[in-house]
Formats: sequence, C-alpha cells, structure tokens
Amino acid sequence: EVHILESGGGLAQPGGSLRLSCAASGFTFRSHAMSWVRQAPGKGLEWVSSISGSGDKTYDADSVKGRFTISRDNSKNTMFLQMNSLRREDTAVYYCATYDNSGSHFDSWGQGTLVTVSS
Amino acid sequence: QLVLTQPPSASASLGASVNLTCTLSSGYSSAAIAWHQQQPGKGPRYLIKLNADGSHNKGDGIPDRFSGSSSGTERYLTISSLQSADEADYYCQTWDTGIQVFGGGTKLTVL
Repeated sequence: EVHILESGGGLAQPGGSLRLSCAASGFTFRSHAMSWVRQAPGKGLEWVSSISGSGDKTYDADSVKGRFTISRDNSKNTMFLQMNSLRREDTAVYYCATYDNSGSHFDSWGQGTLVTVSS
Repeated sequence: QLVLTQPPSASASLGASVNLTCTLSSGYSSAAIAWHQQQPGKGPRYLIKLNADGSHNKGDGIPDRFSGSSSGTERYLTISSLQSADEADYYCQTWDTGIQVFGGGTKLTVL
C-alpha cells in the first residue's frame, strides 16, 4: 500500500523561505516521477512542480519559477520543495503526488501540509 | 492553450446517477484526462484515467459505481447509486510536455 506523508509546513514571512518534505513508501520510489500540487484556501488544485524518477528533469509552474526548487533523494524515498522569496499568494495546503507508471497522471496523494505566508 | 473547464456545481439525489463534465480546450480532443475526488477536509484521491476513445483505468479500490466516457472534447465522470460519501469536489486533470493542468473543480451535492 502506498503511503505519502508531507511535512515542513508552517508560518513564514513574506520574502522568507520554507522547505517541504514528502516521505513515500509502498512502491519503487526511484521509478516514479513525483509532483507538488497546492490548494489555496477555498480554491481549486494548482500544479506547482514535477521531478522525474531519477531527478534529472524538473518542471515548474510559471507562478513559482525562479523561487521554488524541487528535488529528491532516492536513497531516502523523499522528495523536497525549497520555497524562497515567499509571497502571500503562496499560502496554501501543499500536496505531494505520485505519477502512475506511464508518467502521465497522478495516482496517489498525500494529506498535505499547510503553508501560511503572513507578517 | 491547454485548459480544462468544469461547471462549479452539480447536484443529484441519493441513489440516483450523476454525470460530471470536463471540457478540453479546442484542439485537444485526443487528450486523456484523470478524475480526482476530494472529500471535505481531505487530500485528493485518484479515481479514473479516461482516454479519448472512452477506454478507462480506475484506481485501486474504486467501486464500479464510478465510470467514465468521452465525446469530442468532453470527458464525463458518471457516478451511479449515489451515496452521501460521494458529496465532494471533483477535479479533472490533463497533461502536456512538462506541465499539468487542473480544471476548476465541480462541487457535487447529494440531496
């Protein structure tokens, strides 16, 4: 059974930084691309960043490009999101999601971690 | 530009069936999508991947009450024998090289 657990959320000031972690188990971690998806309060889902299974390819939404960096440590079955230059509009629950074997859509999700950007 | 459009709300009675719609932008009639369910206060759950020809693959443990179909740029999620637990937000998702796109979501109310 797949288990995904996000951590690292909390309160940050505008312009500040946070690092999110996503620990996964129950599947061959290095064989699956992974992604971060966020949901602002009362809003829909927004894709943030994706990373290939080996970690050599990354993709970012325009809204976070140049500020957020996705990475992974396959030896620890963990993915990360380094968030710098945080803005109030980055306030959201951040979900970790796994891609299916074909690398197209998400087929497993975590429960999310809340990031609040406020002074 | 790749865009998914969903009506913001839908409703149906307990025990009845409902069709939720997700519309792809023009030029993307061959695209596959995925449907995800988000119950109140919870993370999303993957339901089904739906191809342009109507073939589909469901996530582990997803009951037969959930099915999908396609027509042109429209992708449908049908939920039959509605239960109170089906009251949730439903999101469609599609993808292109390097990007993922979500629809705005449909809030389903079970009357």
